[in-house]
Amino acid sequence: EAGVAQSPRYKIIEKRQSVAFWCNPISGHATLYWYQQILGQGPKLLIQFQNNGVVDDSQLPKDRFSAERLKGVDSTLKIQPAKLEDSAVYLCASSPLAPGNYGYTFGSGTRLTVV
Amino acid sequence: KQEVTQIPAALSVPEGENLVLNCSFTDSAIYNLQWFRQDPGKGLTSLLLIQSSQREQTSGRLNASLDKSSGRSTLYIAASQPGDSATYLCAVRALVQKLVFGQGTRLTINP
Repeated sequence: EAGVAQSPRYKIIEKRQSVAFWCNPISGHATLYWYQQILGQGPKLLIQFQNNGVVDDSQLPKDRFSAERLKGVDSTLKIQPAKLEDSAVYLCASSPLAPGNYGYTFGSGTRLTVV
Repeated sequence: KQEVTQIPAALSVPEGENLVLNCSFTDSAIYNLQWFRQDPGKGLTSLLLIQSSQREQTSGRLNASLDKSSGRSTLYIAASQPGDSATYLCAVRALVQKLVFGQGTRLTINP
């Protein structure tokens, strides 16, 4: 089975610029997650989708971050404008709909550096 | 609010030793607990998944235990090797399918 695909792998931008990340989950996985991992910390959930609806976006800085999951498959995460503190690895994960019986599968992540 | 803590934050041991990594969580109402490995600059690789009804899971030299009532899990690594050097993350899955992570333990195995 193909894994979770993310692109790009690396991105360097200047502060106040915009950036977008893309994620393709495992086929058939209804739930998709975006996590932010700052260096030296554990991942923090930004947003959770179930199919194409948002389940949890309580920790998403909505003044600058946005995310969508069109047709319940691929997802994009956008930052506009970026700040220095947004430098982190952005991880996408997916899981089947049935709770509790399955683990999460993560992509390789996108490392963002804001200068 | 679920909080996950991992101790120690960093660990360095000589090759061949057996070692234990600790994870604690504040809310025992979990579906499962998952241990991940993360190599520098890489994503997360799932190591072991323990359902809330289980006490332990084993894969090769790895053994993970879960004591849900006390809010604790341990990851035991037998006969450690330099290739085991990585950051190990513990995460609990709550009722709303949200995965909450600890901050990780950075493990170094010295040849």
